[in-house]
Amino acid sequence: EVVLTQSPATLSLSPGERATLSCRASQSVSTSLAWYQQKPGQAPRLLIYDASTRAPGIPARISGSGSGIDFTLTISSLEPEDFAVYYCQQGGYWPPITFGGGTKVEIK
Amino acid sequence: QVLLVQSGPEVKRPGASVKVSCKASGYTFTSNGITWVRQAPGQGLEWMGWISAYNSRTHYAQNFQGRVTMTTDTSTSTAYMELSNLRSDDTAVYYCARMRVNEFGELLAVFEYWGQGSLVTVSS
Repeated sequence: EVVLTQSPATLSLSPGERATLSCRASQSVSTSLAWYQQKPGQAPRLLIYDASTRAPGIPARISGSGSGIDFTLTISSLEPEDFAVYYCQQGGYWPPITFGGGTKVEIK
Repeated sequence: QVLLVQSGPEVKRPGASVKVSCKASGYTFTSNGITWVRQAPGQGLEWMGWISAYNSRTHYAQNFQGRVTMTTDTSTSTAYMELSNLRSDDTAVYYCARMRVNEFGELLAVFEYWGQGSLVTVSS
């Protein structure tokens, strides 16, 4: 089973700042990695798949990068609606499909 | 537009079973797969398994083997997830999600669209 480790657990930033979230896999998943955003009381929302492809409707300030075991989600300038929890998920070696533990981006 | 609408909240006793439904619309149901993911209160996301809406092929996560059954009804474009022998730690929000397919029709572990979630509470 591929274990995904996300860091940091919490990121405290102000609107307009840059957010950099990390996801590390226990073994290579090539570029088969997705990122989701979840707000309280809502279902997760797909942001990025194949490590760097934005899902339809996702703004350009949100980007993904990486391959192999190290991946990054970057939000270039935080908007108020970006404060949420973010999960990475691998689809390189499945089943099983696995998620990271999440990173909460909170308002400083 | 693609919509996945799930059934309402359930309260069950330990040892009982629950069946959650997920009605799809806005696309050809048999062209994709449906996966199920759960989230315990205050916790992260846990993958439970998937089902192909084309041929009903399934794969269940090891943690749920023997307790979960996923089915589809293509006549109503509805997917179902039944979990048996419920325990208190099965209390969670259960989500269905549509899996992406590539240009060859292969299911990908990318969850494009999600249902709104169904809260299942297990309590004596």
